[in-house]
Amino acid sequence: GQQLNQSPQSMFIQEGEDVSMNCTSSSIFNTWLWYKQEPGEGPVLLIALYKAGELTSNGRLTAQFGITRKDSFLNISASIPSDVGIYFCAGRETSGSRLTFGEGTQLTVNP
Amino acid sequence: GAVVSQHPSWVICKSGTSVKIECRSLDFQATTMFWYRQFPKQSLMLMATSNEGSKATYEQGVEKDKFLINHASLTLSTLTVTSAHPEDSSFYICSGTVGLGYGYTFGSGTRLTVV
Repeated sequence: GQQLNQSPQSMFIQEGEDVSMNCTSSSIFNTWLWYKQEPGEGPVLLIALYKAGELTSNGRLTAQFGITRKDSFLNISASIPSDVGIYFCAGRETSGSRLTFGEGTQLTVNP
Repeated sequence: GAVVSQHPSWVICKSGTSVKIECRSLDFQATTMFWYRQFPKQSLMLMATSNEGSKATYEQGVEKDKFLINHASLTLSTLTVTSAHPEDSSFYICSGTVGLGYGYTFGSGTRLTVV
């Protein structure tokens, strides 16, 4: 299936630093979702975006639905060790209910 | 919040045998269930989409006779890997949704190892 382009592929940061990752697609999406996955677990929803231009926060996390509807970013502020994991973006196209996932961003936070 | 219970969390089986994975939506009715496969250090790849009471729709390249999906009720969907081979070893994850415009709830995944 189609893949979203997610970057960066991995990040190694110090505790307290801010993090930014983004996803782009050649298709228009009407929903963007950001998930976190830890080893041996299923993805857990962090933020859901339903409207172009929407900016939504969840604690230290902030995500935006791009105006073109073809991109989205996720920011994590003041990172902590428990932020470690793989972050996935996922988009839902205008027709149907299936999600397309990005390749993931592996985040490592050094204390 | 919505919860999808997936079992087993891990299973080891011999080559040639079949394995059944169950996903139950505990506090909502999942009209649609998605089944994904995830290889190490890779993203989730959609295998099939099943609507309650209907035949599953499989993604290109996924063998429907090998990966049998049953979604007979709004709270239970099963994936059976038939005649499993080592290359079927992977992490399988289900996800349920009430419908368009609503959220997607993921199960905790099943680690399948075929020896």
